[in-house]
Amino acid sequence: GIQVEQSPPDLILQEGANSTLRCNFSDSVNNLQWFHQNPWGQLINLFYIPSGTKQNGRLSATTVATERYSLLYISSSQTTDSGVYFCAVPYYGGSQGNLIFGKGTKLSVKP
Amino acid sequence: ETGVTQSPTHLIKTRGQQVTLRCSSQSGHNTVSWYQQALGQGPQFIFQYYREEENGRGNFPPRFSGLQFPNYSSELNVNALELDDSALYLCASSLAIEQFFGPGTRLTVL
Repeated sequence: GIQVEQSPPDLILQEGANSTLRCNFSDSVNNLQWFHQNPWGQLINLFYIPSGTKQNGRLSATTVATERYSLLYISSSQTTDSGVYFCAVPYYGGSQGNLIFGKGTKLSVKP
Repeated sequence: ETGVTQSPTHLIKTRGQQVTLRCSSQSGHNTVSWYQQALGQGPQFIFQYYREEENGRGNFPPRFSGLQFPNYSSELNVNALELDDSALYLCASSLAIEQFFGPGTRLTVL
């Protein structure tokens, strides 16, 4: 089945710093989602981005489907950005694809 | 807020017992997927329900079963609980491709 790898596994930043999180996947996909999991376990949708670039405030994401990777950029990080960031792709290419998650990047932003 | 709700929030059971977890999907969403997330891991797909029918299953034993109701809400049932079933259980609802998650139920098996 499809493999999803995220890097780095852990990241510690000072408040105000920028960061780039990477997600590699082993097969072509028609769907990719980025999530932020807060300390209470809630998975918050950040981006649905099968290809191209999207921006939402201080966050932006780029997916290059032909090269099988996606990047999540966080600028001017804040302590509230702390948590685990997951990317996920469908188990199969159908419209109701079940998501395969990477192991996540744990981000800690220090004041 | 995603509009997806789950109950209960926390649950403690003993080995061998049975448990039922519940999920209400976002209004208008006809598909519910369930995931298990062990500590320090990414969520793992259990199964999906689409219009009351199972529509795909991950690598979980038959003691994990589910239902979807006409209003598209869903239940996850786990029989003969094992210690390794301790995890955060997440449900997600969707209408098309993008999935939206509930807050999860944290199950502890003693």
